[in-house]
Amino acid sequence: DAGITQSPRHKVTETGTPVTLRCHQTENHRYMYWYRQDPGHGLRLIHYSYGVKDTDKGEVSDGYSVSRSKTEDFLLTLESATSSQTSVYFCAISESRILKDNSPLHFGNGTRLTVT
Amino acid sequence: GQQVMQIPQYQHVQEGEDFTTYCNSSTTLSNIQWYKQRPGGHPVFLIQLVKSGEVKKQKRLTFQFGEAKKNSSLHITATQTTDVGTYFCAGRYNDMRFGAGTRLTVKP
Repeated sequence: DAGITQSPRHKVTETGTPVTLRCHQTENHRYMYWYRQDPGHGLRLIHYSYGVKDTDKGEVSDGYSVSRSKTEDFLLTLESATSSQTSVYFCAISESRILKDNSPLHFGNGTRLTVT
Repeated sequence: GQQVMQIPQYQHVQEGEDFTTYCNSSTTLSNIQWYKQRPGGHPVFLIQLVKSGEVKKQKRLTFQFGEAKKNSSLHITATQTTDVGTYFCAGRYNDMRFGAGTRLTVKP
């Protein structure tokens, strides 16, 4: 498996609190992605990054922000968590731009977030 | 918007039976990828199909891409308990869209 570490693995938080999820990679891949997985919806792209300080929105970006200050780290922040953001969050990396090229995605182990 | 529809949502088979999951798009795809996610695990890339009518095999798994590049299928011959998991297709438009997945359970 690709060297991708997500932290925390599990998180329970209250509505209205800020939450930050971390993704760390040791593969030196340029592209990093945040997905959420919900029953019946598969995986949906939240935000992605194509380099340090270069990020863009995905399919379901409302309520989320991201930052990438180093190649190896990609942070996902929920500024004010809501119950609809209860989900499993996966970080993924690819060697080239998944949105335009043919590289496969390599996923981390996921973070299960519960917003009460 | 652009979507990849995947059916069935669930499939329960007896060990040794065959299994097929289908993905369909209303518009032409640039390519399609398939992933497998074991229970409690993360999605793992299986294969990518790019050409119209392409067929690829991995042991007991056969992947097909339709002639019009609007549909794809994954067929598993003689399922084993190790095949248990959720299979996702991901189709490329201007971005990559995942199907909802087919959850396969296998009874020994």
